[in-house]
Amino acid sequence: AQSVAQPEDQVNVAEGNPLTVKCTYSVSGNPYLFWYVQYPNRGLQFLLKYITGDNLVKGSYGFEAEFNKSQTSFHLKKPSALVSDSALYFCAVRERSGGYQKVTFGTGTKLQVIP
Amino acid sequence: EPEVTQTPSHQVTQMGQEVILRCVPISNHLYFYWYRQILGQKVEFLVSFYNNEISEKSEIFDDQFSVERPDGSNFTLKIRSTKLEDSAMYFCASCRDQGREKLFFGSGTQLSVL
Repeated sequence: AQSVAQPEDQVNVAEGNPLTVKCTYSVSGNPYLFWYVQYPNRGLQFLLKYITGDNLVKGSYGFEAEFNKSQTSFHLKKPSALVSDSALYFCAVRERSGGYQKVTFGTGTKLQVIP
Repeated sequence: EPEVTQTPSHQVTQMGQEVILRCVPISNHLYFYWYRQILGQKVEFLVSFYNNEISEKSEIFDDQFSVERPDGSNFTLKIRSTKLEDSAMYFCASCRDQGREKLFFGSGTQLSVL
């Protein structure tokens, strides 16, 4: 069964500093990996995805993520955090399951960017 | 960018009552999903729907839950007899291709069961 782990409930970072939100995954086959962001009282918004190819994936709002197969990780990064980046971030994995694919989400990491 | 729309945004109901949550997926999408998020907890998969039938469901999706796409545009989630523990934010999602496409999520319906 596929699963995703986000080991940190909350990450605090000062504005302008680099940020990292961690994610590790477990799948039996090839993973399709995603990051979604949830702002207060809003639905989940797609940030970026890894399907195949370059291990460094660039996404919306200056975010990027690095796929590391040996460490089964897909950490989200941004070189310089903004206060507006404060939100809940979900890592997700998609794998074929019984002929159809569902997305499994991590527990989420709250990112707090401090002015 | 096209959007998935959900109505209502908030629903308050008494325990034991039936509720119907409505979703209008993006028009050329073929795969539809319901997820829920209990306050402060993870986003949980409920059910996926394709070609007018359920393709997969989680253990949460018991006999009290049902989904249908009655008119080719709306995608509904029905809870027949709500329980207190059904209180959550329910998200509808859709995608065009079950393979590598991202999911498009609606803004959710906050269900409160009293």
